[in-house]
Amino acid sequence: SQTIHQWPATLVQPVGSPLSLECTVEGTSNPNLYWYRQAAGRGLQLLFYSVGIGQISSEVPQNLSASRPQDRQFILSSKKLLLSDSGFYLCAWSDNILGEQYFGPGTRLTVT
Amino acid sequence: SQQGEEDPQALSIQEGENATMNCSYKTSINNLQWYRQNSGRGLVHLILIRSNEREKHSGRLRVTLDTSKKSSSLLITASRAADTASYFCATVNTGANSKLTFGKGITLSVRP
Repeated sequence: SQTIHQWPATLVQPVGSPLSLECTVEGTSNPNLYWYRQAAGRGLQLLFYSVGIGQISSEVPQNLSASRPQDRQFILSSKKLLLSDSGFYLCAWSDNILGEQYFGPGTRLTVT
Repeated sequence: SQQGEEDPQALSIQEGENATMNCSYKTSINNLQWYRQNSGRGLVHLILIRSNEREKHSGRLRVTLDTSKKSSSLLITASRAADTASYFCATVNTGANSKLTFGKGITLSVRP
């Protein structure tokens, strides 16, 4: 069966520091991968998605970037965090771009 | 950008009662999906209904879709305290580069 991992679970970082969040998927090949951010009490905002290694689509101009160095690995990064980057970051995968998505446990990021 | 809008924003019911949550959307869709999120956790996919379907069942869940009214409803029958969570509808629009777009969610509280 497929599983999706995210780490770390929680993170507190000062403004201006770098960020690296990692997501890995097991038990499937060539998944579509997604990064979302969820602000408190709000829905999910799609940040990036990837349909293959090295293929990244950005949905919203951000202080963030994403990379997919391996088939089942998706990384969210920032060179300098802003206060507004605080939130709950969720990684997800799907085997069909139109179908259901399967979410990781999320990373709670607090920028201080 | 947000597509689905759920109604009500919050719902509190007694265990054993039925819970009905509604979702409206604006543009033509390929499918509509419902997800559940327990506090501080990732989302869990509940059910997907395609634009040519009118009703689907999964256990205690019943989803309807009315494309003429651009609306969907999620019914949870015989609710349990464990159903307490946030529920999101999400739509995949028709057309190229379609992606899953989430609403803000409904907070369901089931009182034991």
